[in-house]
Amino acid sequence: GAVVSQHPSWVICKSGTSVKIECRSLDFQATTMFWYRQFPKQSLMLMATSNEGSKATYEQGVEKDKFLINHASLTLSTLTVTSAHPEDSSFYICSARKTGPNTEAFFGQGTRLTVV
Amino acid sequence: AQSVTQPDIHITVSEGASLELRCNYSYGATPYLFWYVQSPGQGLQLLLKYFSGDTLVQGIKGFEAEFKRSQSSFNLRKPSVHWSDAAEYFCAVGARNNDMRFGAGTRLTVKP
Repeated sequence: GAVVSQHPSWVICKSGTSVKIECRSLDFQATTMFWYRQFPKQSLMLMATSNEGSKATYEQGVEKDKFLINHASLTLSTLTVTSAHPEDSSFYICSARKTGPNTEAFFGQGTRLTVV
Repeated sequence: AQSVTQPDIHITVSEGASLELRCNYSYGATPYLFWYVQSPGQGLQLLLKYFSGDTLVQGIKGFEAEFKRSQSSFNLRKPSVHWSDAAEYFCAVGARNNDMRFGAGTRLTVKP
């Protein structure tokens, strides 16, 4: 199977600081990765689609200057939460899809962000 | 745009009983359909998927799902539930090489 590794699994940061979350496809190349946010007891909400070598496509209502996404290689995408505030506390999950037809997305284990 | 509805927020079944979780989708073309399971604080694990072909799909852990185009449904079933099946279940629809949209999820509680 395909493995997507997300790091860190959990992080606590102070208000006003920035936090970077990494999403790596370990054994396949992913031209497209997706970032989701999940509030407690709720579903996953797509934040943005990250394409290797180009700018990310953000969903309506997601601040691109606050949630910086970089997809510098075929195996790595990063999400940086800038100037974090307590309301940014959430569970962030990435997924990566193999290139080609009939492929499902593989999910990272998620990152629990707590802003204090 | 694609969307997914999971009508049941929470379902409780007894261990050993059968299970059916409902999922309805809206999509303009033939959808790619998925069921994922999530344990508390964890990522998502794929149970099964439908891309094309046989409309009855077998997945891991004894789960199966049936794609019914006429009803725009992709319900998940298991003949005999185990206590370890208690979790949150998400149905998702996706287009080829595009993002997936998730349902609100159904929380499954298993009574001993």
